[in-house]
Amino acid sequence: QSVLTQPPSVSGAPGQRVTISCTGSSSNIEAGYDVNWYQQIPGTAPKLLIYGNNNRPSGVPDRFSGSRSGTSPSLAITGLQAEDEADYYCQSFDDNLGGYVFGTGTKVTVL
Amino acid sequence: EVQLVESGGGLVQPGGSLRLSCAASGFIFNNHWMSWVRQAPGKGLESVANIKQDGNEKNYVDSVRGRFTISRDNAKNSLNLQMNSLRAEDTAVYYCAREMIYNSRSHHDSWGQGTLVTVSS
Repeated sequence: QSVLTQPPSVSGAPGQRVTISCTGSSSNIEAGYDVNWYQQIPGTAPKLLIYGNNNRPSGVPDRFSGSRSGTSPSLAITGLQAEDEADYYCQSFDDNLGGYVFGTGTKVTVL
Repeated sequence: EVQLVESGGGLVQPGGSLRLSCAASGFIFNNHWMSWVRQAPGKGLESVANIKQDGNEKNYVDSVRGRFTISRDNAKNSLNLQMNSLRAEDTAVYYCAREMIYNSRSHHDSWGQGTLVTVSS
C-alpha cells in the first residue's frame, strides 16, 4: 500500500499537455523531501525521468518537466507523443517508513 | 555504459528460498548505494532493500525484514538478495537499481532488466 497517491490514469491527444500529481503527507512530501519521477513502458524496466523535483537526466527529452508548488509536486508532459504511453511513478523519502516509497502509478494514454 | 544484470529468479514453493544476484559493470560499484525494487504482476513499484557502499548499513521494507538479506561483494561488483521463507505475495519481478545522491537524498538512475520470482505450489 503506497503512501504516495497519483491519479490512476490521464490521457491526451498527440501534441497536448498532460500533468500528473503526486500527493503525500507530513512524513514525506510535506516534510520537504524531494520527488523523483520514473517512466515504465510495459514489459520494460523503469527509467528515471526527473530527480530532485525538477532535474532532467541527460537524454530525457525536455518535453518532460517536474515542478513543485509548495507541497504539490507534478510531472508535465508537453507535446504528447505516442511513445509517451507508459506508466509513471513518483518517489520520495518517508520518515515513518525510513525509506523510499513510490507512488501508486499513473497510466498515460495517448488518444 | 552502466549495466546491471540480474539472475537467480525462478519458481519456488512457499516457505522456500532463493538467492538473486546482480552483476554490475560500467561504473565504480563501491561508490554507490544499491537497491532491490520489486513489482508484483500488474502492480506498482516497491522498494525492498538497499545497502550502503561498504555494506555496513542496510534497510528493508517491513514486509521482508527478517526473511530477506541484502549483501554486496565490492571485489566482484555484485549485489545479492537472499530470500528465505518465501510467500505467495513475494511473487514479483525483482529489479536491481543503482542509487545516485542529490540534495542528500537518493534516486535510482540505472536499472537492470529484472528477474521474475514466482512463489507457488
